[in-house]
Amino acid sequence: SQKIEQNSEALNIQEGKTATLTCNYTNYSPAYLQWYRQDPGRGPVFLLLIRENEKEKRKERLKVTFDTTLKQSLFHITASQPADSATYLCASGGSGGYNKLIFGAGTRLAVHP
Amino acid sequence: NAGVTQTPKFQVLKTGQSMTLQCAQDMNHNSMYWYRQDPGMGLRLIYYSASEGTTDKGEVPNGYNVSRLNKREFSLRLESAAPSQTSVYFCASSDSVYNSPLHFGNGTRLTVT
Repeated sequence: SQKIEQNSEALNIQEGKTATLTCNYTNYSPAYLQWYRQDPGRGPVFLLLIRENEKEKRKERLKVTFDTTLKQSLFHITASQPADSATYLCASGGSGGYNKLIFGAGTRLAVHP
Repeated sequence: NAGVTQTPKFQVLKTGQSMTLQCAQDMNHNSMYWYRQDPGMGLRLIYYSASEGTTDKGEVPNGYNVSRLNKREFSLRLESAAPSQTSVYFCASSDSVYNSPLHFGNGTRLTVT
């Protein structure tokens, strides 16, 4: 079955460093991937979308890559701040871009001052 | 601009009781979704509505029914609640069912005893 996997262990980094989160997918080829941020007690908030024909997408301090050979997306936050502490969710879209997203369980990021 | 509004925020039910979770969006979006989120698992799609007048099953539809009341509102009904339905329920909307970011509400935390 189609699966999205994210590192279940929390990622702890120092303020100012680059955080890198990983998303791996198996048994299918998604047309696109989306990344969301979720704070405790809140709904996910959309950050970035990258299509299968795009290698990289940037938005301010955020960068996402999509490697269809490795079946992997990397999410980078440069110059991280304590306010970036949250859970980050990866989601994949189905073939043809259909929006029945499959979500990973998320990776919790903690940025320490 | 409220975005996606869900009611209630919290609910406790006894096994066998019924209830309806309400969701409304004010972004004039065509598509709406219901997800559940359980610890250690990704968001799982229960039902979605690609456009007003249509609804379709997602990954985990058993025990639930939905109604797309109009373009703004999409409700989720539990006819006979079971402890396995204890979860956090999120409603989301998107402009289109293709390649579009999802906008989430802040969830309903449901406990079934």
